[in-house]
Amino acid sequence: DAGITQSPRYKITETGRQVTLMCHQTWSHSYMFWYRQDLGHGLRLIYYSAAADITDKGEVPDGYVVSRSKTENFPLTLESATRSQTSVYFCASSESMGSYTGELFFGEGSRLTVL
Amino acid sequence: AQKVTQAQTEISVVEKEDVTLDCVYETRDTTYYLFWYKQPPSGELVFLIRRNSFDEQNEISGRYSWNFQKSTSSFNFTITASQVVDSAVYFCALSEADYGQNFVFGPGTRLSVLP
Repeated sequence: DAGITQSPRYKITETGRQVTLMCHQTWSHSYMFWYRQDLGHGLRLIYYSAAADITDKGEVPDGYVVSRSKTENFPLTLESATRSQTSVYFCASSESMGSYTGELFFGEGSRLTVL
Repeated sequence: AQKVTQAQTEISVVEKEDVTLDCVYETRDTTYYLFWYKQPPSGELVFLIRRNSFDEQNEISGRYSWNFQKSTSSFNFTITASQVVDSAVYFCALSEADYGQNFVFGPGTRLSVLP
């Protein structure tokens, strides 16, 4: 089915381990985003990408790495997970061009727990 | 810098009551977009509406209506005759068209509709 999918949906890991959250969209949207959602902070932007091989930092990028070699994929890597990175992570995409901004379409979220 | 404020952290109403969720934004751009999203207890983020800065017409969709007032930098959301299924966290968001599709979300308002 068309849409935006995230994997894994649930992940438990230990401090110091590397974790990669995957995001795949089938719409060929140019923009893709990673947000984290924490109680008391709402949704905060980690990284976004305007196109393949173009990425930029958001509000809370420290401790995260992204890449976008293909338009449809936008993985998020925690190189050395910390407990403060326990959160729900949402991937999103949007069709935007020039000054036109489309709405964000969100994946179902990935709940990450770092012990 | 862009900012979205949702002053109401939590609201409780009884079914069939009308309820208005407030959203106040700050932006330095003349071209921007405003959005509302719903996050039900199941956790997914559901798009409700997108409005650009040049369109101040109010919009009605069934029991939902939105009031956009540039003079007060507000984009309020009203649910008429609320139902239990409206219980969710509602997020207002802003994207400045000239700043790389950097969507900023408000902290959210948790709406509880009691039977």
